[in-house]
Amino acid sequence: DAGVIQSPRHEVTEMGQEVTLRCKPISGHNSLFWYRQTMMRGLELLIYFNNNVPIDDSGMPEDRFSAKMPNASFSTLKIQPSEPRDSAVYFCASSQGYSEKLFFGSGTQLSVL
Amino acid sequence: GENVEQHPSTLSVQEGDSAVIKCTYSDSASNYFPWYKQELGKGPQLIIDIRSNVGEKKDQRIAVTLNKTAKHFSLHITETQPEDSAVYFCAARGYSGAGSYQLTFGKGTKLSVIP
Repeated sequence: DAGVIQSPRHEVTEMGQEVTLRCKPISGHNSLFWYRQTMMRGLELLIYFNNNVPIDDSGMPEDRFSAKMPNASFSTLKIQPSEPRDSAVYFCASSQGYSEKLFFGSGTQLSVL
Repeated sequence: GENVEQHPSTLSVQEGDSAVIKCTYSDSASNYFPWYKQELGKGPQLIIDIRSNVGEKKDQRIAVTLNKTAKHFSLHITETQPEDSAVYFCAARGYSGAGSYQLTFGKGTKLSVIP
């Protein structure tokens, strides 16, 4: 299996622009997670999907952030408009069952100038 | 929600020595405690996990211990090798407060193994 696939690996954009991060979970996994990693706050859960349905979005920072999972093999995290404080590494992870044994992608390094 | 504290934030050991990383958690209902290893430029990778009904688990040079009463758990790496150098994260699965059980991660420990 190719593992969790994220794209792009790096994204540099200017403040105010829309950013879309993409994730393909491991085939057969029914749970998908978006995390944000920063030096100050560590790994934070943004949103959790189960069977393509958002279950817990309490970690989404504000309305500028939105996530979708149109099918079992694809998810997006969108930031509109982006701000410099959104600069971080964004990870997608998937698992079977509920919140155990997460498999992480390689992440997207986002820089908002 | 759950709160996980991890210490130390950095750790340097000589090759062949042991390394110990400690974590405490706040939610007594938490029942699953994984450890992840993150190498530079990569995502975290699960290396070992333990459930609340077990006190210790070993996998070759890696072991994890859990003290439910004190609400702390530790990662032990014996006979360290340069390839063990990475950032290690502990986590605890507890109620998120929003209708689901989720992992809360510690801030990480940067382990450096000196050849």
